[in-house]
Amino acid sequence: DAGVTQSPTHLIKTRGQQVTLRCSPKSGHDTVSWYQQALGQGPQFIFQYYEEEERQRGNFPDRFSGHQFPNYSSELNVNALLLGDSALYLCASSFTAASSQPQHFGDGTRLSIL
Amino acid sequence: QKEVEQDPGPLSVPEGAIVSLNCTYSNSAFQYFMWYRQYSRKGPELLMYTYSSGNKEDGRFTAQVDKSSKYISLFIRDSQPSDSATYLCAMSDFNQGGKLIFGQGTELSVKP
Repeated sequence: DAGVTQSPTHLIKTRGQQVTLRCSPKSGHDTVSWYQQALGQGPQFIFQYYEEEERQRGNFPDRFSGHQFPNYSSELNVNALLLGDSALYLCASSFTAASSQPQHFGDGTRLSIL
Repeated sequence: QKEVEQDPGPLSVPEGAIVSLNCTYSNSAFQYFMWYRQYSRKGPELLMYTYSSGNKEDGRFTAQVDKSSKYISLFIRDSQPSDSATYLCAMSDFNQGGKLIFGQGTELSVKP
């Protein structure tokens, strides 16, 4: 039973560039959430996708956008990268968007901005 | 003030010790409480998931939730070096769907 998979594992970009991160949810899950984890901090919620729509959004600027595909996989796009965007980006999946369902995380994409 | 407060540690204990990890929170609407374990360069792994107040036990792990005090705990019995990791508490509000609010994480080191 495959868990949550994310790609790429590591990524190095320069300021002003754009990046796309990818996530495949755990088998049987239809909801994907994205989190940003800065070094030494807990993950911060970016947004959640369910039924190919953004259902909830955290306190992140419009430079952060996403998409969910019919097979439930998801992408996170970040435009006009800033040095402060350097972090571990985590994808979590769950069954339905209900808060009663536990979320399972992938190992993340480590993004470094030079 | 952060919605969820967690002492970042680091916490160092000898093998076999009982470990107590704690979080406090300010939002009384939180109903679902989780503990995740995160090894270096890995994603968070779900350890315990509880709803509302009470205790839940799973092997060497016990989670406690005291909603009246807005305080949750994770106890690890007979701690092992393999328990060395960062432990994250997380919680969510029914009305906010799947948005998890995390503590900062506590770094635990279990010495052989």
